[in-house]
Amino acid sequence: EVHLAESGGALVHPGESLRLSCLVSGSPFRKYWMTWFRQRPGKGLEWVANIKQDASEIKYVESVRGRFAISRDNGKSSLYLQMNNLRVDDTAVYYCAAGAGYLVEVWGQGTTVTVSS
Amino acid sequence: DFVMTQYPDSLAVSLGARATINCRSSWSLLSRSNKRNYLAWFQHRPRQPPRLLISWASTRASGVPERFSGSGSGTDFTLTIANVQAEDVAVYYCQQYFGAPLTFGGGTALEI
Repeated sequence: EVHLAESGGALVHPGESLRLSCLVSGSPFRKYWMTWFRQRPGKGLEWVANIKQDASEIKYVESVRGRFAISRDNGKSSLYLQMNNLRVDDTAVYYCAAGAGYLVEVWGQGTTVTVSS
Repeated sequence: DFVMTQYPDSLAVSLGARATINCRSSWSLLSRSNKRNYLAWFQHRPRQPPRLLISWASTRASGVPERFSGSGSGTDFTLTIANVQAEDVAVYYCQQYFGAPLTFGGGTALEI
């Protein structure tokens, strides 16, 4: 059974950077499309970015394009989200998720990012 | 972009009753090539990660109780929970995965 564990969430100031990680275990990482989602306080779920198995396809939601970068290291079974120039409205619980294509099947527990001055 | 509209926003039912949640997409989610609807339902319980319940509009995910069922095609979809149990208290989301940006409905909060 695949298991996902996010890390890297923290309290940062506007304009600062943060790198989230997601370690995948229990199943071959390289077979999954990987996705980052987030949930802002009191709001619903929002897709942030996803990446194909070989990183040949990457997509972002418009609000983070140019500031966030999704990447993966298949040798380390890890997914990353580099977040630059963070804004207050990036405050959220960030989830990594795995699946087949755009269909997400398993989610991690989430990591909290707080952007505040 | 696909705009997903879910209703109602909240729903209160009695134990053992049936709950029905609706979801509408601004564009058809039915693929002409494979005749499948790219619509999923997720359950999000408090303090837990979201859980896939239904994919392809009507296929239950592994381990999901049979009381959860999905139906619909094209732009209109329904999640039905028969014989609601206490552990079903959660927010339910529909999501289209036909294309990026992947988009969710606003969520329906189920209360007992």
